[in-house]
Amino acid sequence: NAGVTQTPKFQVLKTGQSMTLQCAQDMNHEYMSWYRQDPGMGLRLIHYSVGAGITDQGEVPNGYNVSRSTTEDFPLRLLSAAPSQTSVYFCASSPRPLGGELFFGEGSRLTVL
Amino acid sequence: AQSVAQPEDQVNVAEGNPLTVKCTYSVSGNPYLFWYVQYPNRGLQFLLKYITGDNLVKGSYGFEAEFNKSQTSFHLKKPSALVSDSALYFCAVRDLGTGNQFYFGTGTSLTVIP
Repeated sequence: NAGVTQTPKFQVLKTGQSMTLQCAQDMNHEYMSWYRQDPGMGLRLIHYSVGAGITDQGEVPNGYNVSRSTTEDFPLRLLSAAPSQTSVYFCASSPRPLGGELFFGEGSRLTVL
Repeated sequence: AQSVAQPEDQVNVAEGNPLTVKCTYSVSGNPYLFWYVQYPNRGLQFLLKYITGDNLVKGSYGFEAEFNKSQTSFHLKKPSALVSDSALYFCAVRDLGTGNQFYFGTGTSLTVIP
């Protein structure tokens, strides 16, 4: 029973490099989302998707891209990494009905030098 | 605008004493409210939720939360704290009107002192 799986768990990048954080869920959830967690700021929504082929911006989308070609996968792309993107990233999914809770992955810790 | 406030960054309580972690919210429609717990270097785990019905909601690990519409609050409670309850707690509200987004508070660090 895998739930929400994120890879990699740890990553170090240099400024200007690009990378993709992978997220997969095996619960057939329609809603998926990416958050970043920074000390004292709680969780801030980056991008979200309410179904395959549909994505939208959250609170802090700049510097990140997403796509949702399948129900299962929701990768987060950093286009040109900056030190301000050093953070812990969480992927989360939610089922219908829409009042359901979020299920979180274990997180990906990214450091940009 | 939808928002969640957790007024206390840190709560300390003695083992065996009751604990309360506070949360207030602001939503335009009916509130869908949640509590999550995060242990070090882990993802967030769901504790409980209020959608409708009884104002007192029971959840995992002996936690419960009281929904108070007039005070727009959803405080997390436990009658007797355990050292293992020490963790970071997040309150969240789900807004079905704007893309089903979740809005999280900034978190409250709970320390249970043996």
